[in-house]
Amino acid sequence: AQSVAQPEDQVNVAEGNPLTVKCTYSVSGNPYLFWYVQYPNRGLQFLLKYITGDNLVKGSYGFEAEFNKSQTSFHLKKPSALVSDSALYFCAVRDMGAGNNRKLIWGLGTSLAVNP
Amino acid sequence: EAQVTQNPRYLITVTGKKLTVTCSQNMNHEYMSWYRQDPGLGLRQIYYSMNVEVTDKGDVPEGYKVSRKEKRNFPLILESPSPNQTSLYFCASSEGTSGNNEQFFGPGTRLTVL
Repeated sequence: AQSVAQPEDQVNVAEGNPLTVKCTYSVSGNPYLFWYVQYPNRGLQFLLKYITGDNLVKGSYGFEAEFNKSQTSFHLKKPSALVSDSALYFCAVRDMGAGNNRKLIWGLGTSLAVNP
Repeated sequence: EAQVTQNPRYLITVTGKKLTVTCSQNMNHEYMSWYRQDPGLGLRQIYYSMNVEVTDKGDVPEGYKVSRKEKRNFPLILESPSPNQTSLYFCASSEGTSGNNEQFFGPGTRLTVL
């Protein structure tokens, strides 16, 4: 079965330090991978995606993610965290078994807290 | 400004009283979808639509209806709401016919059914 796992419910990091939010996946075939962020009382916002090509993907707000096929991971990273990065982060993969449905399989989210 | 709008943002209702949550996008997107977000369960798809008059069930369609009479609108209808439909609902849209385009989300509708 296809799935996405975010092994950490919460990540705490000091402002200015690098951050990593982990994501692993299990899909058949080549994955389409996405990261979204949800700020309090807001809808989800797209951060970045990996479809094909360079394994290091750069996205919005200084975030990047590295696709690692051998480890089936797509960890989100940022070199220097900001307090304003505190939010809920979701990893998602397209459900390749859903036919024409653009449905994504979602992780349960990781709450990132950046401490001043 | 490109956006997905939802109304209402907050709604408290009682069991059995029909309600509609509206969703509208101004990006001419073909694909639209409804999700519910619940603690510990993440986002689950309720219904989706590939284009006007083309809708289909997602993972948790029971108790919900949708329609897609116009490309920009995709209302979610609860004919007889029940307390287990208390949740945070999101509408989303994306363009194109491939599966590699990001989805744009509305701000969410927090529904409480008493």
